[in-house]
Amino acid sequence: RKEVEQDPGPFNVPEGATVAFNCTYSNSASQSFFWYRQDCRKEPKLLMSVYSSGNEDGRFTAQLNRASQYISLLIRDSKLSDSATYLCVVILSSGSARQLTFGSGTQLTVLP
Amino acid sequence: DAGVTQSPTHLIKTRGQQVTLRCSPKSGHDTVSWYQQALGQGPQFIFQYYEEEERQRGNFPDRFSGHQFPNYSSELNVNALWLGDSALYLCASSLQGAVYQETQYFGPGTRLLVL
Repeated sequence: RKEVEQDPGPFNVPEGATVAFNCTYSNSASQSFFWYRQDCRKEPKLLMSVYSSGNEDGRFTAQLNRASQYISLLIRDSKLSDSATYLCVVILSSGSARQLTFGSGTQLTVLP
Repeated sequence: DAGVTQSPTHLIKTRGQQVTLRCSPKSGHDTVSWYQQALGQGPQFIFQYYEEEERQRGNFPDRFSGHQFPNYSSELNVNALWLGDSALYLCASSLQGAVYQETQYFGPGTRLLVL
């Protein structure tokens, strides 16, 4: 079983739609959680951190459910510029090193 | 404020050859991590360097080795290249001890093609 699993998509949605991505992780000792965004042939960039209380950044809302080991990302009023691959990231602290473990990514295409 | 830089941007090698990739961390960062991203996959952790030592290693063979210099820059070396080593190699930098040390900033990557 992969440590971090995501639905690979692709998700093709019209502009203005609301889209949700899900992610599950296998190690209950995981400590920190993030969503990264990766544009085609570019490097991953941090989109937002994910907290148990849920957090919102404009049109983006992230949620963490530790009991179910489940992370979600909701994008409202999607824009063409939201088209990218969204990577779920988990950190399991190992000693002093904090290694990022990535899911395979979910590809989103927002259509005009 | 210079971000993470990597060189070269692209590289073509043949099986059995050796390759060295280079990374300069973001200004003020002292920790460098290397990742391999195969097509259609998420980045996979190779190893992390801090204070010129390898602190943690992912599930990669000894053919993958690295080095960190006193100025915090780093090199990734891969010996005896396989076709399966073809991938985007990403370097990420962070600051050890910072509250958000896990916030890693990625460089643009080096695309390696092994023929």
